[in-house]
Amino acid sequence: GESVGLHLPTLSVQEGDNSIINCAYSNSASDYFIWYKQESGKGPQFIIDIRSNMDKRQGQRVTVLLNKTVKHLSLQIAATQPGDSAVYFCAEQAAGNKLTFGGGTRVLVKP
Amino acid sequence: NAGVTQTPKFQVLKTGQSMTLQCAQDMNHNSMYWYRQDPGMGLRLIYYSASEGTTDKGEVPNGYNVSRLNKREFSLRLESAAPSQTSVYFCASANRLNTEAFFGQGTRLTVV
Repeated sequence: GESVGLHLPTLSVQEGDNSIINCAYSNSASDYFIWYKQESGKGPQFIIDIRSNMDKRQGQRVTVLLNKTVKHLSLQIAATQPGDSAVYFCAEQAAGNKLTFGGGTRVLVKP
Repeated sequence: NAGVTQTPKFQVLKTGQSMTLQCAQDMNHNSMYWYRQDPGMGLRLIYYSASEGTTDKGEVPNGYNVSRLNKREFSLRLESAAPSQTSVYFCASANRLNTEAFFGQGTRLTVV
């Protein structure tokens, strides 16, 4: 079946540096993408989203980039803080509101 | 508002036992979802309900059944629990197409 980013790598980042988390998706029919943050023992929390008619969207300290040509999604976190340590998941939504998740990336912020 | 509420928070079952995980949302959302998350892994979609009265299989539906009882409630049933179903189960809801889903706090299920 269709899948989004099957790996769970770990990204170690120095506090204050920028982080870039990548995600590959495979369903070309997906038209909506979301980044979630999950802290230990908690449910995923929404960070930012982007629709397929856009290639970039900015929030507070976060930017999502969408490259539909190569089916790639990225999340950039500016000035990474200790509170940003978590697992980050990308998710895609296809027809019928079906929402599927990638394997996630663990971000560790070093002081 | 409570958002998405899951019960129970923790459960231990013996192999072969059955149980129902409950999920309720108070945001008047149309779509609801059930996921499982194994340790160190991502979330895998079990079943979803795009709107009241409809349910569809996700990526890993085997061994599970669901009921969209009404707009607020979406339950997940394990008819005969197996150790492979040991996982954390998350329920989520979303208002309409192309809006973010909100998650509950999870149900940690252990099957021994």
